[in-house]
Amino acid sequence: GENVEQHPSTLSVQEGDSAVIKCTYSDSASNYFPWYKQELGKRPQLIIDIRSNVGEKKDQRIAVTLNKTAKHFSLHITETQPEDSAVYFCAARAISNFGNEKLTFGTGTRLTIIP
Amino acid sequence: EAGVVQSPRYKIIEKKQPVAFWCNPISGHNTLYWYRQNLGQGPELLIRYENEEAVDDSQLPKDRFSAERLKGVDSTLKIQPAELGDSAVYLCASSLASSAVAYEQYFGPGTRLTVT
Repeated sequence: GENVEQHPSTLSVQEGDSAVIKCTYSDSASNYFPWYKQELGKRPQLIIDIRSNVGEKKDQRIAVTLNKTAKHFSLHITETQPEDSAVYFCAARAISNFGNEKLTFGTGTRLTIIP
Repeated sequence: EAGVVQSPRYKIIEKKQPVAFWCNPISGHNTLYWYRQNLGQGPELLIRYENEEAVDDSQLPKDRFSAERLKGVDSTLKIQPAELGDSAVYLCASSLASSAVAYEQYFGPGTRLTVT
């Protein structure tokens, strides 16, 4: 099955600086890569996603890049703000031999923005 | 538009007791997922429904876990009997997804289960 690795597990950046979180996946057939933000005690919320036919996607201060050849994708947050502090999860969607689609999550990155 | 609704939000039970969680997905979402999230980890899929059919329950521990989605809308996840290792947050999510096309999954607030 799909295996998703996420790094780093914790990240602290000064307010206003950029943060980068990286993920790798194992199943070359994976075709959809969402990123979720989860604040303490709250639900995971989708912040951006990218499909396998696109190499980069941007939404205001957030961008995601995808390298299908290397099987890795990254989240970039620019001009970080205190409210960006949260745990971020990457995920990869794969289709099994039986036609089942499954989203496999990384282990999360705890991002702390230092005021 | 209302989001995914789950209840209860918190549940504390003693081991060997039964427990049930309820989920109401976003209106019109035909696909419903149950995930388990252990502390410090990402969500792990337990079961996926397309309408009322459980199309992937390969990760569901069937000796003690069961789920149903009557009429293809609300869903219930049950554990009987609960074990200490079942303590986790149980998340429900819904989407328009099918095996052919990927759509965004929207999560509910989760049920935090503590087994003592």
